Amino acid sequence: EVQLVESGGGLVKPGGSLRLACAASGFNFNNYRMSWVRQAPGKGLEWVSSISSGGNFIYDADSVKGRFTISRDNAKNSLFLQMNSLRVDDTGLYFCARVSFNELIDYWGQGTLVAVSS
Amino acid sequence: NFMLTQPHSVSESPGKTVTISCTRSSGSIAGNFVHWYQQRPGSPPSTVIYEDNQRPSGVPDRFSGSIDSSSNSASLTISGLKTEDEADYYCQSYDRNNYVVFGGGTRLTVL
Repeated sequence: EVQLVESGGGLVKPGGSLRLACAASGFNFNNYRMSWVRQAPGKGLEWVSSISSGGNFIYDADSVKGRFTISRDNAKNSLFLQMNSLRVDDTGLYFCARVSFNELIDYWGQGTLVAVSS
Repeated sequence: NFMLTQPHSVSESPGKTVTISCTRSSGSIAGNFVHWYQQRPGSPPSTVIYEDNQRPSGVPDRFSGSIDSSSNSASLTISGLKTEDEADYYCQSYDRNNYVVFGGGTRLTVL
């Protein structure tokens, strides 16, 4: 069974940093592109960042470019999101997601909550 | 990059049919596949349609998808509405650089 379990969310002040992690199991992690998708409270889905299966290609949304860094450790079946210079509008539930063919997101984690507030 | 525009909300009665549109702002809707997700409160999204009109196993055949090049839009149609279909629905596509784009989401109310 495919499982994606996020961790690392919490309350942080504007300008602060957080590192999210996603533990993957039940599939061959190093065969899949992975993504982070977020959802602000009461709002829609927003794609954040994606990383290729080998980690050598990275794609970031303009809203996080230069502030967030996606990475992965295939030996540990783990995905990460380093978030720096956090802003109030970065608040939301951050989902770890497995990307299948044609950018279909076929599995989602339950999400980890990030709150940016002074 | 392009945007995908969905109606904010739709409502319909049980047993009826509803269609949710997803209009692409630039570039051809047929240029990249469109996927549709259902999200119930407190849960992550799940796929109801992929690659424009394909239904994952386990999704009822009451759910169908299509694209219309004349209006540059994709549509999700749910027939024989049930109260359990009440949820938020999102379309999603991507560009040639693999940047993922979500529509703003449509709240379906079955009343």
